[in-house]
Amino acid sequence: TQLLEQSPQFLSIQEGENLTVYCNSSSVFSSLQWYRQEPGEGPVLLVTVVTGGEVKKLKRLTFQFGDARKDSSLHITAAQPGDTGLYLCAGEGPLAGTASKLTFGTGTRLQVTL
Amino acid sequence: NAGVTQTPKFQVLKTGQSMTLQCAQDMNHNSMYWYRQDPGMGLRLIYYSASEGTTDKGEVPNGYNVSRLNKREFSLRLESAAPSQTSVYFCASSELWGGLGGELFFGEGSRLTVL
Repeated sequence: TQLLEQSPQFLSIQEGENLTVYCNSSSVFSSLQWYRQEPGEGPVLLVTVVTGGEVKKLKRLTFQFGDARKDSSLHITAAQPGDTGLYLCAGEGPLAGTASKLTFGTGTRLQVTL
Repeated sequence: NAGVTQTPKFQVLKTGQSMTLQCAQDMNHNSMYWYRQDPGMGLRLIYYSASEGTTDKGEVPNGYNVSRLNKREFSLRLESAAPSQTSVYFCASSELWGGLGGELFFGEGSRLTVL
């Protein structure tokens, strides 16, 4: 079973601060997804990274896939209260296009206060 | 757009009771999934259906059964509920099974408490 560890587990910051969330594994993934989940709702996909070293930006959010495709990070610049939620990484692999299943990380709960 | 619809949203059961969680998607997706979410453990796959007519066990299938009724509907049954099954259950669907970058669409979740 592939394991994905996220750190930190909890993060409480003030509006305007920057933060980074990490997603680490000893396994190689063919692709890695990041989801955000708000209270009382299901997770919603933010981004998928596929190539080792790939960087994707979504407004104030920057996602990076590690060169070896074993880890990923999510950096938020100038956090806003609307960024509050549970952030989940999910890895697929190691082979794409097979009956591999997504492995979800343990989650990082972010709270952004005014 | 309804997307993925789960019912019920909340349920309280006594140990030993049975119940079925219903899930329907209107996106014409081929694959459907049932996950459970527990604090500090992320989402764990219970069962999945890669396509209509097929179902397979996921990471934590014990105590559960599923039925892929048709392409739209995928139900999860607890035959004899146990307190360890207290959790939030999510149904999800995707256009493809596996495959590079396939996106999961989730329902709003069903919160189940077993006393």
